[in-house]
Parts: sequence; C-alpha cells; structure tokens
Amino acid sequence: KAGVTQTPRYLIKTRGQQVTLSCSPISGHRSVSWYQQTPGQGLQFLFEYFSETQRNKGNFPGRFSGRQFSNSRSEMNVSTLELGDSALYLCASSYRTRDSNTQYFGPGTRLTVL
Amino acid sequence: AQSVTQPDIHITVSEGASLELRCNYSYGATPYLFWYVQSPGQGLQLLLKYFSGDTLVQGIKGFEAEFKRSQSSFNLRKPSVHWSDAAEYFCAVGAASGAGSYQLTFGKGTKLSVIP
Repeated sequence: KAGVTQTPRYLIKTRGQQVTLSCSPISGHRSVSWYQQTPGQGLQFLFEYFSETQRNKGNFPGRFSGRQFSNSRSEMNVSTLELGDSALYLCASSYRTRDSNTQYFGPGTRLTVL
Repeated sequence: AQSVTQPDIHITVSEGASLELRCNYSYGATPYLFWYVQSPGQGLQLLLKYFSGDTLVQGIKGFEAEFKRSQSSFNLRKPSVHWSDAAEYFCAVGAASGAGSYQLTFGKGTKLSVIP
C-alpha cells in the first residue's frame, strides 16, 4: 500500500498570504490528523478529521482551518500567515477503530514564511 | 490532560553499544503508547506501539520497549546500535477526547548521535 502523501513538500510564502496544504491518507484510512512541528514547541496537534467532520482541534487560532473530502483526502489552510507559522506540517492517517488507532505519518510539508 | 516527558534531549552512544531512551507519561486511563523515529527533513516512522497485553513489545529495526504502569514509563531499548540509528526519537501517548476524537501527545524528542 502506498503511504501517506503530502503536497507540496516545500513552500515559501510571505507574511499576510494564505496557504493550502494537501494530504492523501493511506487507502482505507478514514481519519486524518494534522500536526505542526517547530524547534521551539515540538509536535503539536492541530486537528483531526473523520468522515468529513472535524472531530477535535488543538490550541491554534482560527487562522488554521481544514477540511476533509468524501475520499478522505484532507486539506489544511492557514490564512494571514505570520512568521511564527514557519514549521513542518505533518499529516497522519489511521483506521481509527477502537482497537486500531495507530497513526501513520506522511513526509510533511515544510512551510517557510518570509 | 495527558503529557509525555523525554528527560534526555541528546544522547551520544558508540556504534555497537546498547541504547535506552527514557519516556514517562501522564494519563488517567490505560494509555496507548508509541515510539516514532524521525530522520532529518523526514516525517515520523512508527517503531512500535503498546495497546494492551504483553508489556514488552517488539518493533522494527531491532527496537523494543517495555511498558511499566507502576513507573508510568515506556522506555525504548536496542541491544546494539548501528550508525543508521542516528535520528530523533519521539515518544507519544494516544488518547481519546470526549468529542469522539483521538490525538497523539508527543514528548519533546531525544536526538541520538552515534559515534562510529
């Protein structure tokens, strides 16, 4: 099976712009979660989508949003970019059953905000 | 709320030496525990996981971890380190929220350097 794919792998934006990142989960996985990784804060949970619904959101401002499509693919959007949004954004997918909540990660999208 | 502590920010070992990376967690119920590894510029690769049952779990690349409920620990071990094991290692606890969601809480990571 193909793993989790994320596009693009690298992005450079300027402050005030917006950006959309894409994630394709492993085939059959219905849950997609997003995490932000920075040197200072480490890995932080952004949100989880399951069956096209946001199930939970981490402690991030409303500028961070996302959605999930019927094929389980997910996108996250960051509006009005700030310098502090520079990070590696990781997507993870899972079956999300009671006995199988293992999350498998993609390679990430490296976002640089200038 | 759950939390994970990895006390060692950076560890250096010689190739062929044994390795133990420490992880302590805080969670009110029986935890789902994971170890992931990350090479520079890459995503996270799952090494092993603990859901229930046998407290000693085997993973890929010769790694194992032992769940000790009394110590709230889930330490990662490898008997003989290879130069290719140099990477950053993350311990994580998985927890369900009341909203029917599920998320991982990660430790800050331990960077492993291997001396040839």
